[in-house]
Amino acid sequence: GAVVSQHPSWVICKSGTSVKIECRSLDFQATTMFWYRQFPKQSLMLMATSNEGSKATYEQGVEKDKFLINHASLTLSTLTVTSAHPEDSSFYICSARDRDRGLYEQYFGPGTRLTVT
Amino acid sequence: AQSVAQPEDQVNVAEGNPLTVKCTYSVSGNPYLFWYVQYPNRGLQFLLKYITGDNLVKGSYGFEAEFNKSQTSFHLKKPSALVSDSALYFCAVSGLYSSASKIIFGSGTRLSIRP
Repeated sequence: GAVVSQHPSWVICKSGTSVKIECRSLDFQATTMFWYRQFPKQSLMLMATSNEGSKATYEQGVEKDKFLINHASLTLSTLTVTSAHPEDSSFYICSARDRDRGLYEQYFGPGTRLTVT
Repeated sequence: AQSVAQPEDQVNVAEGNPLTVKCTYSVSGNPYLFWYVQYPNRGLQFLLKYITGDNLVKGSYGFEAEFNKSQTSFHLKKPSALVSDSALYFCAVSGLYSSASKIIFGSGTRLSIRP
């Protein structure tokens, strides 16, 4: 149980276009989802926390107008990278918290590799 | 603010030898501590966690970690390393002060096990 999926697993887009990444909790309800960004050979940096039905809370330095997060249901959160640029190329990982398993358990998706050309 | 430090970028161990990956933390109040492993181009896999209770926590794949409150450490250990243990390991911490607590990750330690 507690499986989180991401789609797509990898995407290549042209500079200036927008790309949407989906994060789904497959077998549990996630009241909170988190989005992380990971550069090569570096750690995961938390970008934002999204709660179902409310606006996401962004970490300092993360542009909320560039990284649009929507958490419309208890099983789906989306991250849209708007007007992507090559510096947005990264590995994006989401995680979800299962409200029935406690406040501090997070389950991670397999990640999405974004390459902007 | 909560933080976690992994002082070693890389740890090299011969197969069959014991391994230790170091982690220290800073958090207000009592911590939740985690270890995750990441294989190339993959997401994170949960290894183990400490919440309360016994300071020695046993996890997946034969790994264990010891919580030391006085030294604010949570080192990852395994008695006998396998080549397949080679991966990137992350220590993480979450505080208990908020119902919306975030998990903060360390910088990661690359573990390399030589045959």
